Amino acid sequence: QTVVTQEPSFSVSPGGTVTLTCGLSSGSVSTSFYPSWYQQTPGQAPRTLIYSTNTRSSGVPDRFSGSILGNKAALTITGAQADDESDYYCVLYLGSGIWVFGGGTKLTVL
Amino acid sequence: QVQLQESGPGLVKPSETLSINCVVSGYSISRGYYWGWIRQPPGKGLEWIGSIYHSGTNYCNPSLKSRVTISLDTSKNQLSLKMSSVTAADTAVYYCARQEDYYESSGYGYYFDYWGQGSLVTVSS
Repeated sequence: QTVVTQEPSFSVSPGGTVTLTCGLSSGSVSTSFYPSWYQQTPGQAPRTLIYSTNTRSSGVPDRFSGSILGNKAALTITGAQADDESDYYCVLYLGSGIWVFGGGTKLTVL
Repeated sequence: QVQLQESGPGLVKPSETLSINCVVSGYSISRGYYWGWIRQPPGKGLEWIGSIYHSGTNYCNPSLKSRVTISLDTSKNQLSLKMSSVTAADTAVYYCARQEDYYESSGYGYYFDYWGQGSLVTVSS
């Protein structure tokens, strides 16, 4: 069974830059997996940040950007702010009508 | 504005069937899109359960497929999830979401653009 991997946790200083990644237990992530990214704070529904690898959803600040880095999808936050402290999830489409969420990354801003 | 609202039983006994509905407002589900179900056990990550296309074609997480039924009721503009033979491991917040589509040279991609607020279902005797 294919597993989508994310760093369990990450820390960034206010104003700093952090890159979270989204990989596969076997194989490389490409744009053909249509990566998307979601932000979730405790008790809230997820919020869509990025789709189609690097397209920001409506209203998402441009400090959030998506890309493919090496063999993984990546979410970069440039100029991190305190309210960016959240859980971040990626989703990959594996084909044949199967979508898989990554395990999520808990981002701390301190 | 598209809005989704889940309604669930709150508490289900082990071995019984969990049923949750998701009423959609601001968009007619018969017009298009995939509509998905996602769950999140307490303190854990998100898990895709399954998705159904407006035409009725549906897909499920292989690990749940034998227990899950997803359907659309266009007269009520809602989608429904049924999960049979539940155990404590099925205790989670259940979300419904719309899957917007877009086209790239490699084909159609989908992402979850509108989400409901979630419905907590606890499996316990």
